[in-house]
Amino acid sequence: AQSVTQPDIHITVSEGASLELRCNYSYGATPYLFWYVQSPGQGLQLLLKYFSGDTLVQGIKGFEAEFKRSQSSFNLRKPSVHWSDAAEYFCAVGEKTSYDKVIFGPGTSLSVIP
Amino acid sequence: NAGVTQTPKFRILKIGQSMTLQCAQDMNHNYMYWYRQDPGMGLKLIYYSVGAGITDKGEVPNGYNVSRSTTEDFPLRLELAAPSQTSVYFCASSYSLAGGIETQYFGPGTRLLVL
Repeated sequence: AQSVTQPDIHITVSEGASLELRCNYSYGATPYLFWYVQSPGQGLQLLLKYFSGDTLVQGIKGFEAEFKRSQSSFNLRKPSVHWSDAAEYFCAVGEKTSYDKVIFGPGTSLSVIP
Repeated sequence: NAGVTQTPKFRILKIGQSMTLQCAQDMNHNYMYWYRQDPGMGLKLIYYSVGAGITDKGEVPNGYNVSRSTTEDFPLRLELAAPSQTSVYFCASSYSLAGGIETQYFGPGTRLLVL
């Protein structure tokens, strides 16, 4: 069965520092992979997605993620964090079944120190 | 476009009461979903719909019902509310094609407290 783990429940970084959020998945075939961001009191917004092709994916707000099949990972990175990046980040894996089945990880909460 | 809208934003229910959470989208998406979000648990799928008149259970459907009479609307019904249904509920939609999985667009959520 599909599953997604995000090892870090909470991360704190200083503004301007680099960021890496970890995501590991379990899935037998080539997965559809997503990163969503949730600002306080808001719904989820897609940052980026990977289906196939180049394993380094660019997203919105300066984020990127790299798919590493050998490590079953899809880590999210940003070279310089802004205070407005403080939010909850969800990694997700998708499978095409009778519907678009998407399994979400538990989330990583990001705090940014000015 | 308003995107995905949800009402109400917040509601307090007493145990045993019922209510309907409203969800509407104006993007002509064929797929719609209801998720619940509990702290530290990510999102769990309650019900989904692949088109008007077609609905099916997700991972955690017990205690809920849905209907999809139009493409735009996908209400979620809670019957006999229980404290375990205290959660934040998100509606989402996507325009899904046969070839892959498309982006899901989320509403702002409904926070429900059952006392």
